[in-house]
Amino acid sequence: GQQVMQIPQYQHVQEGEDFTTYCNSSTTLSNIQWYKQRPGGHPVFLIQLVKSGEVKKQKRLTFQFGEAKKNSSLHITATQTTDVGTYFCAGQDTGNQFYFGTGTSLTVIP
Amino acid sequence: NAGVTQTPKFQVLKTGQSMTLQCAQDMNHNSMYWYRQDPGMGLRLIYYSASEGTTDKGEVPNGYNVSRLNKREFSLRLESAAPSQTSVYFCASSRHRDRDYEQYFGPGTRLTVT
Repeated sequence: GQQVMQIPQYQHVQEGEDFTTYCNSSTTLSNIQWYKQRPGGHPVFLIQLVKSGEVKKQKRLTFQFGEAKKNSSLHITATQTTDVGTYFCAGQDTGNQFYFGTGTSLTVIP
Repeated sequence: NAGVTQTPKFQVLKTGQSMTLQCAQDMNHNSMYWYRQDPGMGLRLIYYSASEGTTDKGEVPNGYNVSRLNKREFSLRLESAAPSQTSVYFCASSRHRDRDYEQYFGPGTRLTVT
């Protein structure tokens, strides 16, 4: 069946360091989304990537969708304490189903 | 404009009891979803409704039933709760048209089955 793997599971960084999380799908995706969840909260949408090779930026966050539409990454430049949380990718197959990655929990040490 | 609302926020059940989790959205979205979130496993899709009047199984549907009551409301029912259903349940909705697939999540229901 469909699987979306996400690594690493945990990441601790010093404030100001960069951070990257990666997602890989076992099958080709129609699109991929990224969400952020703060401790005790609910997932909040960050961005959606649809096109092969697409790159989008939101301030210090850079999102990429692979050429084969099977992998994606989120890179944060110069982390801040406000970046703390768990980051999830969610791949959509050709139907309506979304498959979430297991998430990367980011801790930022001041 | 409340977005996605869920009730209850917390619930404790005994094994074998039944309950219904309620979800409503006021954004006129077409699609609605029920997920469960367990530690270290991300979110797993239980059921979804692509549009009013339709429902489909997701990744982990066993032990659950759903009803898309109207365009606004999508409920999740546990007929006979089991300890393995202890989890946090999230409802979500999306417009799901014109390449707009952004999902809006409710605050979640924390369910414990003893």
